[in-house]
Amino acid sequence: QQQVKQSPQSLIVQKGGISIINCAYENTAFDYFPWYQQFPGKGPALLIAIRPDVSEKKEGRFTISFNKSAKQFSLHIMDSQPGDSATYFCAATRQDSNYQLIWGAGTKLIIKP
Amino acid sequence: KAGVTQTPRYLIKTRGQQVTLSCSPISGHRSVSWYQQTPGQGLQFLFEYFSETQRNKGNFPGRFSGRQFSNSRSEMNVSTLELGDSALYLCASKRTGRKDEQYFGPGTRLTVT
Repeated sequence: QQQVKQSPQSLIVQKGGISIINCAYENTAFDYFPWYQQFPGKGPALLIAIRPDVSEKKEGRFTISFNKSAKQFSLHIMDSQPGDSATYFCAATRQDSNYQLIWGAGTKLIIKP
Repeated sequence: KAGVTQTPRYLIKTRGQQVTLSCSPISGHRSVSWYQQTPGQGLQFLFEYFSETQRNKGNFPGRFSGRQFSNSRSEMNVSTLELGDSALYLCASKRTGRKDEQYFGPGTRLTVT
């Protein structure tokens, strides 16, 4: 119930293509779903986040799609660039856990030039 | 505004020793969380401190402990080090105990030999 399952574990996309990373959860009490981006040698940084009352959120080339009934959410990176090569983590949290983040296992994304 | 700082950045210890890692959060942030990151296990939550009190705790043995000072700076201690404790230890701070954005430090790379 506490888990967030993330797939794929790794992903190679051609420059200009669309990168898609998926996450699924069980606990319907989750009410905040952030995505973090981590470059080698750095700590993760918040990329984009969504709440369950919204089905989609877009910031530049990054879009979160949220399917409440399926308990799934995904990150889409449009026009993927080599600079997007990083590890991406999805996460979920809820108020009654003091907003402790439950993390997905991470996806290593490589954009080939 | 300065980011989250962690010291030291790199550390090599021998099995059986103990180690103390330090984290200075962003000014005004009262919540500090600690994570262990390993290639095979992703981000594992250790504990969170808010206003000097431990609010959340992950599933780590009692060898892992922490504390937070009145200025919100936090320390993490690992006693009786084991080879499996080799990891990147990340500290993250946020302004309140709610679903604010977590800001991560660069981490401390601990190697146990």
